Amino acid sequence: GAVVSQHPSRVICKSGTSVKIECRSLDFQATTMFWYRQFPKQSLMLMATSNEGSKATYEQGVEKDKFLINHASLTLSTLTVTSAHPEDSSFYICSARTHRANEKLFFGSGTQLSVL
Amino acid sequence: AQKVTQAQTEISVVEKEDVTLDCVYETRDTTYYLFWYKQPPSGELVFLIRRNSFDEQNEISGRYSWNFQKSTSSFNFTITASQVVDSAVYFCALIGDAGNMLTFGGGTRLMVKP
Repeated sequence: GAVVSQHPSRVICKSGTSVKIECRSLDFQATTMFWYRQFPKQSLMLMATSNEGSKATYEQGVEKDKFLINHASLTLSTLTVTSAHPEDSSFYICSARTHRANEKLFFGSGTQLSVL
Repeated sequence: AQKVTQAQTEISVVEKEDVTLDCVYETRDTTYYLFWYKQPPSGELVFLIRRNSFDEQNEISGRYSWNFQKSTSSFNFTITASQVVDSAVYFCALIGDAGNMLTFGGGTRLMVKP
């Protein structure tokens, strides 16, 4: 079955640094990728939707300059948390889908970001 | 607008008990898909089932079963003879006809005690 690989699984960084999270579709072309954020004991919140080759669409309240999303190829999307602060500490999950609407979504294994 | 409600935030059962996780949804789309995901302590999301709005047949997969009732906008999930390994957070989710945004419920934390 389709697999989405997300790296790193865990990252600890100092406040003010930038962190890049990668999301790769391993055996299918992901025309659309989604980035979610999950605070402890809360549900997943969609941050942004990215389509290959175009700018990401951010959800209301998500700072696009802080959470940079690049979907440069059909198999790779990256989320960069710029100038991270402790309040950015969270669990980030990507998901990917082919071009067919309502196709099953495949999720990465998530990245636990801890900003000191 | 879409909305998914999982009224049970936490459920605790003893092993071998049956447990039902409730999910109620709202959507204006006539065509939509409903999902259940399991999130074990390790954090990754595990896909369990996808059901489209035109298929109201109940589904059984091993100890898991799902009851889709369009009349009440519910898509409940039952685990029969629960096991400790079933302990996780379970999310119900909905995606509408446009196929873009997956809306998650708040999740139900299931704790199965030995």
